[in-house]
Amino acid sequence: AQTVTQSQPEMSVQEAETVTLSCTYDTSESDYYLFWYKQPPSRQMILVIRQEAYKQQNATENRFSVNFQKAAKSFSLKISDSQLGDAAMYFCAYSAGGTSYGKLTFGQGTILTVHP
Amino acid sequence: DAGVTQSPTHLIKTRGQQVTLRCSPKSGHDTVSWYQQALGQGPQFIFQYYEEEERQRGNFPDRFSGHQFPNYSSELNVNALLLGDSALYLCASSLRPSGVQLVEAFFGQGTRLTVV
Repeated sequence: AQTVTQSQPEMSVQEAETVTLSCTYDTSESDYYLFWYKQPPSRQMILVIRQEAYKQQNATENRFSVNFQKAAKSFSLKISDSQLGDAAMYFCAYSAGGTSYGKLTFGQGTILTVHP
Repeated sequence: DAGVTQSPTHLIKTRGQQVTLRCSPKSGHDTVSWYQQALGQGPQFIFQYYEEEERQRGNFPDRFSGHQFPNYSSELNVNALLLGDSALYLCASSLRPSGVQLVEAFFGQGTRLTVV
C-alpha cells in the first residue's frame, strides 16, 4: 500500500521569506503522480503543484517549486516570497497512474503560519 | 463555471441514522471521488465513480455507499451512523483515468457532518 508522510505538523515563516515543507512517500509503482494541495480555513482543497514521476525536471508554479528526489522518495515544496495568503494547511498527496489515477493518498498535513 | 458544489454544507445527525450527501462536479468532468477528512487529519479516499459505476474503493465499510447519475452528479450514503463518522466529507471531480490525459482533481468545499 502506498503511504505519504509529512513529518512537520507545523511550520512558520516571515512574510517575503522562503519556507520548505517536507514529504516522503512509499510506493512500488513506477507510474505515479505527486501533488501539493493547500487547504485554507474555507475548507476547499486547492491544487498548488503537480509532479509526474517520469519527469526528471522539478515542477514550478510561480512562487512554488518542488524538489523531487525519486530515489529517496522525497517530494518537498518550496514557497518563495511568502505571502499572508499562503497561510493554510498543506497536504502532500500521491496517485498511481493508469486506471488507478485519481485515488489520492494524502499525508497528515502541515499547518503553515505566515508572520507579517 | 460553478466548480464543484456540495450540499448541504453542514449536517447534524443522530447515531444510527442514515445520511445522504450530494455533489455536482465541475462542468466537463465525468468522474467523482469522495473523501472523509477527520479533524486535523488528511482526507481518506472512500470511493470513485465514473460511467455510473464504482471504480475504486478505499478501506471503508459497506455502510458507505454511493451512486452516480447520468448527469455525473453523485451521492454518498452512510447508514447506521457512528460517532466516528463525524468528519468533513469532500467531493472531488475530474475526468476518467486514461492514458491520454490525466486531469487533476478539483474539490468542493465539503459537507461537515456531526453525529451526536
